[in-house]
Order: sequence, then C-alpha cells, then structure tokens
Amino acid sequence: KAGVTQTPRYLIKTRGQQVTLSCSPISGHRSVSWYQQTPGQGLQFLFEYFSETQRNKGNFPGRFSGRQFSNSRSEMNVSTLELGDSALYLCASSFLAGENEQFFGPGTRLTVL
Amino acid sequence: KNEVEQSPQNLTAQEGEFITINCSYSVGISALHWLQQHPGGGIVSLFMLSSGKKKHGRLIATINIQEKHSSLHITASHPRDSAVYICAVDSGSARQLTFGSGTQLTVLP
Repeated sequence: KAGVTQTPRYLIKTRGQQVTLSCSPISGHRSVSWYQQTPGQGLQFLFEYFSETQRNKGNFPGRFSGRQFSNSRSEMNVSTLELGDSALYLCASSFLAGENEQFFGPGTRLTVL
Repeated sequence: KNEVEQSPQNLTAQEGEFITINCSYSVGISALHWLQQHPGGGIVSLFMLSSGKKKHGRLIATINIQEKHSSLHITASHPRDSAVYICAVDSGSARQLTFGSGTQLTVLP
C-alpha cells in the first residue's frame, strides 16, 4: 500500500505570491491533517479535514486555507506569502478522525524569499 | 507554560545504553503520540496510547494519566536510533495535536 505522498517536495516562492501544496493520503484513509514545522515554533497544527469537511483549524491567519476532495486528496493554500511562512509543511492521514494512528507524508519544504 | 513539555532537549548516549525521554502535559487528553523524525524531515508514528504501556521491538512507551506524564524508553540503543523524538497530545474529538519541542537523541557507536 502506497504511503502518504506530498507534492511538490521543495518549493521556492517570493513574498506576496501564493502557493498550493497537495497531499494524497493512504488509500482508504478519510482524515487528512496539515502541520507546519519551523525551527522557532516547532510543529504546529494547521487544520484537519474529514470527508471533505474542515473539522478543526489551528491558530493561523486566514491566509492559510485548505480543502479536501471526494477522493480524500487534500490541498492547502497560502496566499500573500511572508518570509515567516518558510517552513516544512507536513500532512498526515488516518483512517478515521479521532483516536487513530496518523501516517505522515515526507513534507513540502517551502522557502519564501 | 507550554502545554507539552519534553525532557531532555538533547541526549547523547553510547551504543547499548538504556534511554528514557519524558513528556509532561497540562491538558486533558484523549491520546498521546510518540513520533520519530529523522534528518530530512520524515516523521514516523511510533506509538499512540491512552493508557498503560505499549512495546514495539526495543521501544517501550508508558503513560500515567493521573500524573499527566509519559515516557519513551529505548533499550539497547543503536546509532540508527539517532533522531528527534517528539511527544504530541490529542486533546479533543477532532484531530488537533499539540506538540512538544522534541528531544534530539544521538547514539554514538
């Protein structure tokens, strides 16, 4: 069974641009969560989607948004990029929402210049 | 005060040593996760537990709900165990993990 895949793996953007990251969960998994990891703040929860619905969102500005498609694939979008958005963005999938083991993708490393 | 505190922040051990990493949390939780992150960023979920103890190979995780404390033990440590170990708590019905700052483990041959 293929693992969680994320595309692209690396991305360089400039301030003010927008970016879309993609996450394909493990087949059969319906919950996708997104996380941001920076050296200063560590790992922080962005949002979680289950069956195309955003169930929870972390403490991030409205520039961060996401969606989930009927095949459980998810995208996150960051608009009006700032230097501080440079980070490793990780997604994780699980079969159900709630108390289930999460399987992490390799991450997308975003650099904002 | 952070909701999830890990100790130590850095740990260097000799191959074969028994290792303990601690995690304390201040909120009510539904589950606690131990994660391993290797250089390059990939994260592997080691354990998810809500009570008692779990064992997988040389790794053992315990949790004391009353004391809001969990430990990750590595027996007979090996250089390939070198990684960052992260504790995370799941405090609601919707998946919203809160993470500790991680423990950088280096095992020397």
